Amino acid sequence: AQKVTQAQTEISVVEKEDVTLDCVYETRDTTYYLFWYKQPPSGELVFLIRRNSFDEQNEISGRYSWNFQKSTSSFNFTITASQVVDSAVYFCALSEAQMDSSYKLIFGSGTRLLVRP
Amino acid sequence: DTGVSQDPRHKITKRGQNVTFRCDPISEHNRLYWYRQTLGQGPEFLTYFQNEAQLEKSRLLSDRFSAERPKGSFSTLEIQRTEQGDSAMYLCASSYPSGQGAYEQYFGPGTRLTVT
Repeated sequence: AQKVTQAQTEISVVEKEDVTLDCVYETRDTTYYLFWYKQPPSGELVFLIRRNSFDEQNEISGRYSWNFQKSTSSFNFTITASQVVDSAVYFCALSEAQMDSSYKLIFGSGTRLLVRP
Repeated sequence: DTGVSQDPRHKITKRGQNVTFRCDPISEHNRLYWYRQTLGQGPEFLTYFQNEAQLEKSRLLSDRFSAERPKGSFSTLEIQRTEQGDSAMYLCASSYPSGQGAYEQYFGPGTRLTVT
């Protein structure tokens, strides 16, 4: 069975602090995909990144960076120099990758990030 | 490129009534998904369409729920005889055809259902 665990329910930081959101996943598949989505107070889920299981290179996009480690089944997300606009709920998700798969997303329960001015 | 749209955005209904939601995916996306999100939880998969074919349904989708995508474009999700436990945000997402694997799903704003 596939499962995504986001153990941090809520994190509060002061603006300009760095913050890391943890994601641990479980799957029996050897090929899979990992995602991060942001859900701001408006409610609409916004896609941030997709990672293939065979590509363990870390990725950086502006203030955002992602650390994928298959050995620990983790896909952590770091925001550098956080800003108030980063306040949102962040979801990690997993997708299977078999041929003819639906690629449905299995989401974690989310981490609410509050960035205080 | 317009995003995924959903209608209505909010629906309040009395227990026992039927409700129908509509989703219009991004035009070139042939894959369409419905998810349900309750307060404080991540979205949960309900069902998936590839073009007009409904190819997967979750066990969450009881026989009171039915979804269609008649012409492979927009989709509807109907809930019959609503119950208070159906109160949730219903999210629609769409994605490109998977030539090389999973593509990111783009989500609509959701329909928030309140059953009184």
